Amino acid sequence: QKEVEQNSGPLSVPEGAIASLNCTYSDRGSQSFFWYRQYSGKSPELIMFIYSNGDKEDGRFTAQLNKASQYVSLLIRDSQPSDSATYLCAAPAGGTSYGKLTFGQGTILTVHP
Amino acid sequence: DTAVSQTPKYLVTQMGNDKSIKCEQNLGHDTMYWYKQDSKKFLKIMFSYNNKELIINETVPNRFSPKSPDKAHLNLHINSLELGDSAVYFCASSPLGTSNQPQHFGDGTRLSIL
Repeated sequence: QKEVEQNSGPLSVPEGAIASLNCTYSDRGSQSFFWYRQYSGKSPELIMFIYSNGDKEDGRFTAQLNKASQYVSLLIRDSQPSDSATYLCAAPAGGTSYGKLTFGQGTILTVHP
Repeated sequence: DTAVSQTPKYLVTQMGNDKSIKCEQNLGHDTMYWYKQDSKKFLKIMFSYNNKELIINETVPNRFSPKSPDKAHLNLHINSLELGDSAVYFCASSPLGTSNQPQHFGDGTRLSIL
């Protein structure tokens, strides 16, 4: 089992719809989770992080964490074509792996007008 | 004003050559990282340094040697380049090397081996 696994893409949604991106992780010791957005040919850009169970909202983005189910998701409301990118979920390796982040394989999101 | 900067942005070279990539951060962070992103976009950590000390060394061939002269700089030297080394290499930094700190990435160095 991969340490961090994202729902297979690519995901295509119409403009204005809600895009739902999902991620599961295997290390129960992980305490914090990160969502990065990566445009083609660019570097990963942090858009959300979440530490506690429940929801965290920031503008059109909502991160949801369920530690019991080892599941973290990202919802993008009112999706825009500019949201089209690869979204990477990342979780710490836990234990003594100092600052080590394990990334999922990414989900490609396309928002079409 | 670039927070994490890498040079060069592109690197095209022959198999067997030795090359270096440089990284600098002006965020005052203590921890810096090197990641490799392959053609399938999978991002994998290679090394981590905390205040010039090597913390993480993943299963990376010893042809790859990181060097951190101070906590604001982390360079990557690669000996005897191979075709499989073709990838995008990202430098990143975080305030501390603890797992709950977000990491900030440089623009990447696109390495192509001919």
